[in-house]
Amino acid sequence: AQSVTQLGSHVSVSEGALVLLRCNYSSSVPPYLFWYVQYPNQGLQLLLKYTSAATLVKGINGFEAEFKKSETSFHLTKPSAHMSDAAEYFCAVSEAGSNYQLIWGAGTKLIIKP
Amino acid sequence: GAVVSQHPSRVICKSGTSVKIECRSLDFQATTMFWYRQFPKKSLMLMATSNEGSKATYEQGVEKDKFLINHASLTLSTLTVTSAHPEDSSFYICSYSSGNNNEQFFGPGTRLTVL
Repeated sequence: AQSVTQLGSHVSVSEGALVLLRCNYSSSVPPYLFWYVQYPNQGLQLLLKYTSAATLVKGINGFEAEFKKSETSFHLTKPSAHMSDAAEYFCAVSEAGSNYQLIWGAGTKLIIKP
Repeated sequence: GAVVSQHPSRVICKSGTSVKIECRSLDFQATTMFWYRQFPKKSLMLMATSNEGSKATYEQGVEKDKFLINHASLTLSTLTVTSAHPEDSSFYICSYSSGNNNEQFFGPGTRLTVL
């Protein structure tokens, strides 16, 4: 069965510092992996996705994530945090043939300190 | 990416009334869509999956007679919360799947408050 674990319900970094949001997954077949961002009272926006092409995936707003099969991880990073990055971030996994369903992590709230 | 709209964005209703939420895909046609519910400070909880032309498949614990889903067309789906009660107050989000690598496109959500 698929599952997603996001380590840390809250992550706080200073503006300009490195952002690292952790995501580990379990899947019996090669997965599709996603990071979505949610701003308050809004829907979800796709940041980036892994679909079995390049293991290092670049997304919007300067974010990127690296698929590491050996570690079953898909951590999200950004070299320099900006105040506008403050939001909730969700990692999700899906498998081919799953009727397109996504299995969601619990989310990590990113807090940016001035 | 695809554009998905939801209407209304916010609704406040009295207990016992029914509320309809519309979800529209504005620039592509999708055969599969999803309705989620999100509690404060929580992740998304999948309520149901619907494929155009067939009945929705509800997740365990979700009452299909209370949360009526109509996947009317490839671009429109509605969720009706029947006889709403305060415990139904939540943020409801719809999404469509393009079928491309299972990516989902989300609506902006509807905040339902039942008094």
